[in-house]
Amino acid sequence: DGGITQSPKYLFRKEGQNVTLSCEQNLNHDAMYWYRQDPGQGLRLIYYSQIVNDFQKGDIAEGYSVSREKKESFPLTVTSAQKNPTAFYLCASSIMLAGSGELFFGEGSRLTVL
Amino acid sequence: GDSVTQMEGPVTLSEEAFLTINCTYTATGYPSLFWYVQYPGEGLQLLLKATKADDKGSNKGFEATYRKETTSFHLEKGSVQVSDSAVYFCALKDTGGFKTIFGAGTRLFVKA
Repeated sequence: DGGITQSPKYLFRKEGQNVTLSCEQNLNHDAMYWYRQDPGQGLRLIYYSQIVNDFQKGDIAEGYSVSREKKESFPLTVTSAQKNPTAFYLCASSIMLAGSGELFFGEGSRLTVL
Repeated sequence: GDSVTQMEGPVTLSEEAFLTINCTYTATGYPSLFWYVQYPGEGLQLLLKATKADDKGSNKGFEATYRKETTSFHLEKGSVQVSDSAVYFCALKDTGGFKTIFGAGTRLFVKA
């Protein structure tokens, strides 16, 4: 079955630690995205990428970093510079960046800072 | 900039009741419009979409019509089930752009 796999599903972090969230897709999609979801709010875009070795900041990129070394993979690192990292993180992909295509989402990773 | 506004929740209905969740948008171009659904503890999945004015998207008994004159894309279902309990997000994407913009989400509870 094609889809997006995020891991881990739950992650606990001590303050000052960096953590990396994994996102892998086997849909052969060019574009990939990371969103952050907080309770009662919509999704906010952190980073996006339309091709390998290229990525762009979204609306709330401060304190986060990404890489796109392979088409299938788009890991997100939450650094110690992110002041309020406790949230639900969603990875998504689409066939291409432009156009009217919908997003396909993974099941999410819930990060809690202790 | 582009934006999406949807009705605040939670919305609580009894099984077999009629559902409407209002969604209006602001966009400078000609966006595609979407409804996504999020079940507890999961990611979002596409429920339906419409890509041009007067298009009707439909899926699993849910419907929404792209109304350019009222800039709306209201979600409706004639008879809800307990299994429809979830959070529903209205969203838009300008076909010339890269970003999908989401509303804040509306939580629906359906009681047996």
